[in-house]
Amino acid sequence: AQSVTQPDIHITVSEGASLELRCNYSYGATPYLFWYVQSPGQGLQLLLKYFSGDTLVQGIKGFEAEFKRSQSSFNLRKPSVHWSDAAEYFCAVGARGYQKVTFGIGTKLQVIP
Amino acid sequence: GAVVSQHPSWVICKSGTSVKIECRSLDFQATTMFWYRQFPKQSLMLMATSNEGSKATYEQGVEKDKFLINHASLTLSTLTVTSAHPEDSSFYICSADGTDYGYTFGSGTRLTVV
Repeated sequence: AQSVTQPDIHITVSEGASLELRCNYSYGATPYLFWYVQSPGQGLQLLLKYFSGDTLVQGIKGFEAEFKRSQSSFNLRKPSVHWSDAAEYFCAVGARGYQKVTFGIGTKLQVIP
Repeated sequence: GAVVSQHPSWVICKSGTSVKIECRSLDFQATTMFWYRQFPKQSLMLMATSNEGSKATYEQGVEKDKFLINHASLTLSTLTVTSAHPEDSSFYICSADGTDYGYTFGSGTRLTVV
């Protein structure tokens, strides 16, 4: 069964600092990986996704993520965090033709001035 | 493109009553829609897969008679929480398989049962 682990439930960073959110997955075949962001009381917005090809994926809002098969990881990064990035971030794994997507527990990001 | 509209955004209902939540794909047709539930400080859990013109597929542990799903058209799926109780209070989110794999999500519905 597929699963996702986000080891950091809550992270606090200063505005302008760099950010890395960790995600580890478990899946038997080549996974399709996603990062979503959820602002308080809002729905989910897709930040980026990995299907195949270049393991460094660029997304919206200046985010990027790197797929590392050997480490079963798909960490999300941003070089300089803005106050508007404060939200909850979910990593998810799925597979082509298998429409079920499994989400991690989420990492809540707090940005301080 | 690929916008999913979900209504209502929030609803408060009395215990024992039923509540209907709508999920519409505005600019694309969705043969499949998904309903998720999110408890406070927890992740999203898939409740069911809604297929246009056929019965929904429910995840293990989800009561199909309590959470009625109807997908009568290619742009609309509804989730009805029947005989709601306080433990049904949660955040419900739908998604649809639009043009972008990874699905497009609605804005969610905050249900509070009093």
